[in-house]
Amino acid sequence: QKEVEQNSGPLSVPEGAIASLNCTYSDRGSQSFFWYRQYSGKSPELIMSIYSNGDKEDGRFTAQLNKASQYVSLLIRDSQPSDSATYLCAVNLKTGANNLFFGTGTRLTVIP
Amino acid sequence: ETGVTQTPRHLVMGMTNKKSLKCEQHLGHNAMYWYKQSAKKPLELMFVYSLEERVENNSVPSRFSPECPNSSHLFLHLHTLQPEDSALYLCASSQAARGGTEAFFGQGTRLTVV
Repeated sequence: QKEVEQNSGPLSVPEGAIASLNCTYSDRGSQSFFWYRQYSGKSPELIMSIYSNGDKEDGRFTAQLNKASQYVSLLIRDSQPSDSATYLCAVNLKTGANNLFFGTGTRLTVIP
Repeated sequence: ETGVTQTPRHLVMGMTNKKSLKCEQHLGHNAMYWYKQSAKKPLELMFVYSLEERVENNSVPSRFSPECPNSSHLFLHLHTLQPEDSALYLCASSQAARGGTEAFFGQGTRLTVV
């Protein structure tokens, strides 16, 4: 079983719509969760971190965490063409304080 | 200076060559990482240096050898690589804490083995 799983997509949404990205993880003891954005040919850029159950909002981005379901999601409101990128879910597994594991990423395309 | 700097940005090497990748972080962090990113695969954690202690992924071949002389510098020494080692190699750093904190990445080294 993969430690972190994401739907690889591609996911296409029209400009101005809400994009919903999902991620599940295998280790119930995981404590910290992150979303990274990666443009083609570039390195991953941290956009959200979440540590406790519930929602965390930052501008157009909302991260949602449900530890009981081992599920974390990212919502992007008012999607813009500049949001087109691959979004990586990352989870810090309890096996090591700083062992950050990534999903394969979901490719998002926002259509003007 | 940007937070995490990697050199070189691009590297082409033959299978018999020896080369090194360099990473430097200016964020005051105490943990550094090497990741490998291949097409259509998740980022693969290769090595972690946390509080100057090394943790490694046992599946990483011995032709990759890390070195961390201090908390700001990290190297990845490469020798007798294979074509399948061609990938983007990413360095990252974070402030080590139980439960983990955010990791910040350098721009990566695009490695091609011929």
